[in-house]
Amino acid sequence: DSGVTQTPKHLITATGQRVTLRCSPRSGDLSVYWYQQSLDQGLQFLIQYYNGEERAKGNILERFSAQQFPDLHSELNLSSLELGDSALYFCASSAEVGRDLGPDYGYTFGSGTRLTVV
Amino acid sequence: DQQVKQNSPSLSVQEGRISILNCDYTNSMFDYFLWYKKYPAEGPTFLISISSIKDKNEDGRFTVFLNKSAKHLSLHIVPSQPGDSAVYFCAASDGSNYQLIWGAGTKLIIKP
Repeated sequence: DSGVTQTPKHLITATGQRVTLRCSPRSGDLSVYWYQQSLDQGLQFLIQYYNGEERAKGNILERFSAQQFPDLHSELNLSSLELGDSALYFCASSAEVGRDLGPDYGYTFGSGTRLTVV
Repeated sequence: DQQVKQNSPSLSVQEGRISILNCDYTNSMFDYFLWYKKYPAEGPTFLISISSIKDKNEDGRFTVFLNKSAKHLSLHIVPSQPGDSAVYFCAASDGSNYQLIWGAGTKLIIKP
């Protein structure tokens, strides 16, 4: 158990629908990152939140949005779903934005949510 | 624009031999590099890292080499074991916003 909890583990939904993925970061971690891994693709950075505020944005579609709540958990909202949105969605957390947390850069990943759009 | 490239989607190596996974980057501002390992249905886990002030870092069976002039790094696993079969991701950061830029991954298969 990495300490980063993602729910649900699996999600099957129809095109055009909206889903919400949830991430609880490791205790004490202030930053949350969302990544998408499509079939046979690398990890695509979507968005980062730090202590409730958006810190950085990657290749996130306008149909997607995220937020981080006061208790530091984060939700990724995916709407108007398309078949191509089927992917593994990973959340990672780190204590601070930076590398001063040791050799692993402070990043810890959750086990992911597998989204299947049919 | 892929700033971090892992050009080999997969690699098959005999158990006990050396596995060499390669990673190239284009951004000369990258100053910290990491390797992550990922098993199916699990999130990536940290394996080893290297700062740009070094050219080699070793941790047990795993060694990462950095060639800054060639903008190339490699991960050596010696000896390779069946449990090493996984997808390996290379990641880099320029420290400006501490984002990690990821490669596409290389699937390593260790044959018995």
